[in-house]
Amino acid sequence: DAGVIQSPRHEVTEMGQEVTLRCKPISGHDYLFWYRQTMMRGLELLIYFNNNVPIDDSGMPEDRFSAKMPNASFSTLKIQPSEPRDSAVYFCASSLSGREQPQHFGDGTRLSIL
Amino acid sequence: GENVEQHPSTLSVQEGDSAVIKCTYSDSASNYFPWYKQELGKGPQLIIDIRSNVGEKKDQRIAVTLNKTAKHFSLHITETQPEDSAVYFCAANAGGTSYGKLTFGQGTILTVHP
Repeated sequence: DAGVIQSPRHEVTEMGQEVTLRCKPISGHDYLFWYRQTMMRGLELLIYFNNNVPIDDSGMPEDRFSAKMPNASFSTLKIQPSEPRDSAVYFCASSLSGREQPQHFGDGTRLSIL
Repeated sequence: GENVEQHPSTLSVQEGDSAVIKCTYSDSASNYFPWYKQELGKGPQLIIDIRSNVGEKKDQRIAVTLNKTAKHFSLHITETQPEDSAVYFCAANAGGTSYGKLTFGQGTILTVHP
């Protein structure tokens, strides 16, 4: 079975540009999570969805970040305008419903803002 | 909310030795504790998990123990091999309105020397 698929794998862009990261969760999974990973802050949860509805976006750093999940098989994380401090690896994960379910991660998007 | 502390932050062992990574958590409602392994350029991958109705679980060279009274759980890797070198994360689920969410520890960089 295909795992969580993220695109692009790498993104290099200049400060001020709009960045869109994409995620396809595992088919049948009800939950979708967006994380950011940096050396300084580790793995941070940005936002998560249940059945395409945002449940908790308290980890989104500021209004420049937005996330959508228009259907069960696709989600986007957008940064507009991007800044150098947004440089990080962004992961998407999905899971089945239930409190005792593991999250399955994609291989991430390495984002560099120049 | 849940807080997960992980120690040590780095661990260096000789091939064939055992490695132990320890985590503590704060939310007494937590009942699911997965462990993830992250290799360079990849997303975290689930290696083993434990639920609060058991105290220990083993899968070949990997074992996890859970002490709910003390709120701590540990990962044990025996007969370590160079391919075990990676970053390891512990996590704990949350209760209440954070249903579906995992809180991650800060990670342990394990290096196995041949």
